This record gives sequence, C-alpha cells and structure tokens, in this order.
Amino acid sequence: ETGVTQSPTHLIKTRGQQVTLRCSSQSGHNTVSWYQQALGQGPQFIFQYYREEENGRGNFPPRFSGLQFPNYSSELNVNALELDDSALYLCASSQGRTQETQYFGPGTRLLVL
Amino acid sequence: KQEVTQIPAALSVPEGENLVLNCSFTDSAIYNLQWFRQDPGKGLTSLLLIQSSQREQTSGRLNASLDKSSGRSTLYIAASQPGDSATYLCALNYGGATNKLIFGTGTLLAVQP
Repeated sequence: ETGVTQSPTHLIKTRGQQVTLRCSSQSGHNTVSWYQQALGQGPQFIFQYYREEENGRGNFPPRFSGLQFPNYSSELNVNALELDDSALYLCASSQGRTQETQYFGPGTRLLVL
Repeated sequence: KQEVTQIPAALSVPEGENLVLNCSFTDSAIYNLQWFRQDPGKGLTSLLLIQSSQREQTSGRLNASLDKSSGRSTLYIAASQPGDSATYLCALNYGGATNKLIFGTGTLLAVQP
C-alpha cells in the first residue's frame, strides 16, 4: 500500500505566474484535502475534494482552485501568484469526506519571487 | 471563532528529560484532536489521535490527554531523545461536512545530547 505522494517537491515561480501542484491519494481513499503552511505557522485548510467535487473551502480567494480525478488523485492550481503564496503545500487523503483520519503527503515547497 | 494556541512556541531540553507540550482551544465542541510531528521542511506524521469521548491516548513514550471542559490538551514525552527534535502540532477536527483540521502554530522542540 503506497502512501500519499506529491509532486513536485520544490518549485520556484515569479509573481503573476500560474502553478499546478499534484497529489496522489493513498490506496482506497476517495477524499483529498489541501493545506497551505506558511513559514513558522500551522497549516491552513484550503479546500477538500470528495468524489471529484469540492465539498468544503477555507478562507482562500478564487484564484486557488482544484480538481479531483476519477482515480481520486488531485491537483491544486494557483493563478496570478503573489509573494505571500510562498509556502509548503500539503495534501492529505482519507477514506471518507467527514470525520475521517487524514494521512498527509510530504508537501510541495513553493517559492514565489 | 475556533482558535488553537500552542505554548511554548519553542523549547530546548537536555536528553533524558520528561516534557509537556500544551495545546489550548477556544471551542470545545470538537470531534477529535490529533498531535502531529513535523521535521524541517517535511510533511506531517500523525502521533496520536484522541476522540472527544476519550481522556487520553498512549503510544510508546508519548501520552496525550484531552480535557474538553478546560479546552486543553497536553502531549507528554518521556525520556526525551535527540531524535525527538521536531515541531509538534496539535490539530482539531470539529466534524461537520468535511475533514477540515484546525492547527495550532506548533512547538519547536530541540533535545540536546
């Protein structure tokens, strides 16, 4: 059984560009959540996808969007990158959409210059 | 507003010492509480999960307690080792329609050999 994987591990972009981060959920899991962790802070919930639909969103602007595919892998897209978007982006998968234990991936470190 | 506070923000102890990390929260209507470990620049490793109906959980040298009435949880680490050096995060799940976790800002622990 493979765990949660994320790609790429590191990424450097310039302000105004767009970025796509990828997450493969753990085998048997149908729900993926995305979190943003700024340096020295705890992770902040961005949104959750359950069976290819967004079913919950945190306090993030619309330029943060996502997708979930039939195999339950997921993408996080961020448009019009800002310097403050520099952070570690974590995804977590779970077996269900509510009250389930989440398993985290290693994260993608994004630097916006 | 659901807020989570962790004190202290940083802690340095000599090897072998027992220590306690604190987590306090403003809304006690939690579904469960989880303690995570995070090594620098890495993802999250789940250490212990306490359901709202439980008072404590133990795993090896770790013991986590939960007191909903006072809005507090503690993580006790016995006989600390240099390998325990990491950031420790507590996270609350309030149930509802998603698996959203609300994290504290973490305690950075350094165990000196």
